[in-house]
Amino acid sequence: QQQVKQSPQSLIVQKGGISIINCAYENTAFDYFPWYQQFPGKGPALLIAIRPDVSEKKEGRFTISFNKSAKQFSLHIMDSQPGDSATYFCAARVTSNTGKLIFGQGTTLQVKP
Amino acid sequence: DAGVTQSPTHLIKTRGQHVTLRCSPISGHKSVSWYQQVLGQGPQFIFQYYEKEERGRGNFPDRFSARQFPNYSSELNVNALLLGDSALYLCASSWTGGSSGEQYFGPGTRLTVT
Repeated sequence: QQQVKQSPQSLIVQKGGISIINCAYENTAFDYFPWYQQFPGKGPALLIAIRPDVSEKKEGRFTISFNKSAKQFSLHIMDSQPGDSATYFCAARVTSNTGKLIFGQGTTLQVKP
Repeated sequence: DAGVTQSPTHLIKTRGQHVTLRCSPISGHKSVSWYQQVLGQGPQFIFQYYEKEERGRGNFPDRFSARQFPNYSSELNVNALLLGDSALYLCASSWTGGSSGEQYFGPGTRLTVT
């Protein structure tokens, strides 16, 4: 069964700190791993994504680390800001002609000023 | 350019009724996917359409159906609504179907079934 497990469920970080969210997957038939940020009442917004042939990708304060052998990937938010407070979802795209995304359960991040 | 648009924003229906949700993809995108997001959970895949053809279907009952029009907009239809159908319904747009192209989500339609 294709699953993506995400942890922690919730996270509280002080302003300026590093937020780390982890995901693990159980099926190798994935070819793309995006992270989405969702604010209350809004749709998920694509934040950053990585392909499995790359071990790390950085865009501004956001970095994805990818460990193919361990089937794990993580999102690091450097210098976390109160405006980063949102729910974050990791996802994995099924290798097929559907582009189907399997999402993790989400992590609610609160950055305290 | 406008992003993915969805209508209506909110909808309240009664059990047993039918509902139609609409989505317009980003200009130039030919693929639309539908997801259901129950409160407190990640989105669950319902359908993907590419060039007006269904490319994939998630684990949802036949009460759920969809179609894509020549202008690449899409409709999601749900018949015989159940209380458990209450959720945020999200439409995602991508340049192509399959294993290429990022998916960009719209704001969603919040469906409440009473």
